[in-house]
Amino acid sequence: ETGVTQSPTHLIKTRGQQVTLRCSSQSGHNTVSWYQQALGQGPQFIFQYYREEENGRGNFPPRFSGLQFPNYSSELNVNALELDDSALYLCASSLEGGYTEAFFGQGTRLTVV
Amino acid sequence: AQSVTQPDIHITVSEGASLELRCNYSYGATPYLFWYVQSPGQGLQLLLKYFSGDTLVQGIKGFEAEFKRSQSSFNLRKPSVHWSDAAEYFCAVAPDNYGQNFVFGPGTRLSVLP
Repeated sequence: ETGVTQSPTHLIKTRGQQVTLRCSSQSGHNTVSWYQQALGQGPQFIFQYYREEENGRGNFPPRFSGLQFPNYSSELNVNALELDDSALYLCASSLEGGYTEAFFGQGTRLTVV
Repeated sequence: AQSVTQPDIHITVSEGASLELRCNYSYGATPYLFWYVQSPGQGLQLLLKYFSGDTLVQGIKGFEAEFKRSQSSFNLRKPSVHWSDAAEYFCAVAPDNYGQNFVFGPGTRLSVLP
């Protein structure tokens, strides 16, 4: 059973605003990654954090930023929201990175109006 | 750049029928390959993965997948579908490096008729 929790579950923001999404990794996991899943599409990799350092980034602009805390929880911050940022944002955690199983949270549904 | 295609957007099968979901990838080397399932309102759950070795891999819930290098394919199969298998299925590839940066296909939605 996955222990990855994300908050909030749903969020509505206005274009131009900033948003922070949160992810609590499964106990003991020190690697977290974030994905954006637009409606009807597969998830797209945003970035990954390993032991509080970003160590991989997808094709997303700098207004998408993140943090990983000493307890390995994580935040995704998006500045200057655009309508196209409306999506399901998924967090995944794993132990020691690599290809041990990545456990996904249920996601945060962000709507930008 | 890696890419994944899933030719079937939506598949409908009857309960008890067999199932095959197609996945093709584009990558220069042998990739790491995965199948994930997503039920409505849920996150992604790993069904199975292929790293190396036996090209037929077994997963959870009775699923299996076969890696065919010559066809750049990693098709998912199940001999007898249950109504609870109705969900969205995603094939994913990861590069031969250290990380979780999966490239996902667009997904195939599976509907199951009673």
